[in-house]
Amino acid sequence: DAGITQSPRYKITETGRQVTLMCHQTWSHSYMFWYRQDLGHGLRLIYYSAAADITDKGEVPDGYVVSRSKTENFPLTLESATRSQTSVYFCASRDTYNSPLHFGNGTRLTVT
Amino acid sequence: AQTVTQSQPEMSVQEAETVTLSCTYDTSESDYYLFWYKQPPSRQMILVIRQEAYKQQNATENRFSVNFQKAAKSFSLKISDSQLGDAAMYFCAYRSAMNYGGSQGNLIFGKGTKLSVKP
Repeated sequence: DAGITQSPRYKITETGRQVTLMCHQTWSHSYMFWYRQDLGHGLRLIYYSAAADITDKGEVPDGYVVSRSKTENFPLTLESATRSQTSVYFCASRDTYNSPLHFGNGTRLTVT
Repeated sequence: AQTVTQSQPEMSVQEAETVTLSCTYDTSESDYYLFWYKQPPSRQMILVIRQEAYKQQNATENRFSVNFQKAAKSFSLKISDSQLGDAAMYFCAYRSAMNYGGSQGNLIFGKGTKLSVKP
């Protein structure tokens, strides 16, 4: 099915471990985004990408790494997870600059 | 930098009645887009309505309509004939129409309003 999918849907990890959240879209959209959602903060941008091999920091990038070797994939890696990174993470994509933004269903990450 | 403020953390409405969710924003830009997103307990982010700043006419989608006051930088969402399925978090969001500073049209979100619908 066409769309944007995130995996896993739920993840529990321990402090200090590396964890990667996956995001895959089937539309070949140019733009992709990672947001985190925390109570009292709404959604905040972590990283974004305008095309394959082009990524840039958003509002809250510290502790996160992204890559985009293929247009359809935009994984988000927490290199050494901390409890403050417990959150719901959303991936989103968009075709052109003015196209609507499509969201994945989110990954709930708990760092213990 | 642009900011979006939703001053009502929680709201409640009786089924079949009308409720208005408030949103204000701050920007120095003249061309931009405003959005309302709905997030039900399933966590899915659903676009409810979109407004282009250059359009004076308020956007409407079925029971959902907005009151866009550009000079006041206000963008409220009105839900008419509220239904139980309208219960959700609602987020107001802003996006530049131009790629200022290479932001790639990032959405700037408010903190959300949790809407409860009473039967």
